[in-house]
Amino acid sequence: DGGITQSPKYLFRKEGQNVTLSCEQNLNHDAMYWYRQDPGQGLRLIYYSQIVNDFQKGDIAEGYSVSREKKESFPLTVTSAQKNPTAFYLCASQAVPGGGEQFFGPGTRLTVL
Amino acid sequence: QQQVKQSPQSLIVQKGGISIINCAYENTAFDYFPWYQQFPGKGPALLIAIRPDVSEKKEGRFTISFNKSAKQFSLHIMDSQPGDSATYFCAASRYTSGGSYIPTFGRGTSLIVHP
Repeated sequence: DGGITQSPKYLFRKEGQNVTLSCEQNLNHDAMYWYRQDPGQGLRLIYYSQIVNDFQKGDIAEGYSVSREKKESFPLTVTSAQKNPTAFYLCASQAVPGGGEQFFGPGTRLTVL
Repeated sequence: QQQVKQSPQSLIVQKGGISIINCAYENTAFDYFPWYQQFPGKGPALLIAIRPDVSEKKEGRFTISFNKSAKQFSLHIMDSQPGDSATYFCAASRYTSGGSYIPTFGRGTSLIVHP
């Protein structure tokens, strides 16, 4: 089955620790995205990547970092510099060229204690 | 600055009724307008989408109406069913020089359909 996997589904960390969220896709999509979802806020773009070894900041990149060493993988690190990291994190991919549809993973709920 | 405004925040309808969710955008560079459906604890999934050269698109019980001059678009769910109970997000996407689309999402509408 083709799709996007995110792991783990739930993640707990102590304040001040960096944490890395995994995102893997087997759709052969060039573009990948990370979003943060908070209640009543919709989805806000953290980072996106259109090709291996290249990525761009989104609207709320501060306190986050990413890497894109392989086409199928786009991990997100939530650093201790992120002021309010507790949220639901969604990874998505998109075909390039394509019509614009994004395919989402099941999400990771991060709770910082 | 909220580039895509979505309303209402929540909506309750009876089974068989019509659900209507509205969105408005500001940036005329947007050229792809999808609606996503999200169930609790899951990732969103594309429901239906439209491009600005079309004023209406229908897929089954779901219809998008698009008004380019007013910079508004809406989702209509006909014969709403309890299984439609979910959160709906509109988005307005811009095409990039790299060939991908970057969406800006509305804040979402929580729809509850009572049996």
